[in-house]
Amino acid sequence: DAGVIQSPRHEVTEMGQEVTLRCKPISGHNSLFWYRQTMMRGLELLIYFNNNVPIDDSGMPEDRFSAKMPNASFSTLKIQPSEPRDSAVYFCASSLKGSGGYTFGSGTRLTVV
Amino acid sequence: GENVEQHPSTLSVQEGDSAVIKCTYSDSASNYFPWYKQELGKRPQLIIDIRSNVGEKKDQRIAVTLNKTAKHFSLHITETQPEDSAVYFCAAAYNTDKLIFGTGTRLQVFP
Repeated sequence: DAGVIQSPRHEVTEMGQEVTLRCKPISGHNSLFWYRQTMMRGLELLIYFNNNVPIDDSGMPEDRFSAKMPNASFSTLKIQPSEPRDSAVYFCASSLKGSGGYTFGSGTRLTVV
Repeated sequence: GENVEQHPSTLSVQEGDSAVIKCTYSDSASNYFPWYKQELGKRPQLIIDIRSNVGEKKDQRIAVTLNKTAKHFSLHITETQPEDSAVYFCAAAYNTDKLIFGTGTRLQVFP
């Protein structure tokens, strides 16, 4: 298995632009999580899905952030419009519900200038 | 909701010494406690986990202990090696859903 696959690995964009981050979970995993990592705030859970359904989006910072999971093998996190304070590493993780540890993707390093 | 506190934020030890990282959690319903290791520029990776029905778990040089009454759990690394240098994160969840992470401990092992 190739693990959790995220794209792009790096994204540099100008303030106000739309950014879309992509994630392919491990085949067979039915839970998917989006985390944001910064030096100041550590690893923050933004949203998670079970069986493609959003369960808890209380960590989504504001309406500029949205996430979708149209099928079991694909999820997106969109920021529109982006702001410099959104600069962070965004991790996607997946797991088999009830089984334990998450597997993280390699992350997307987002820089908004 | 769950809140996880982690101490210390940095830890420096001599190679061969032991390292201990401690976490406390707030939600008494949490029953799953994993530990992740993150090397510089890499993804967090699970190194050990414990569920609330046991008090201790070991895997070679690493061990985790859990005190449900006090709501704290600890990571113990014995015979530390330079390759143990990384940031370590504890986390807590109910039934493995919605892991809430501690703020991380940067461990440096000096040769």
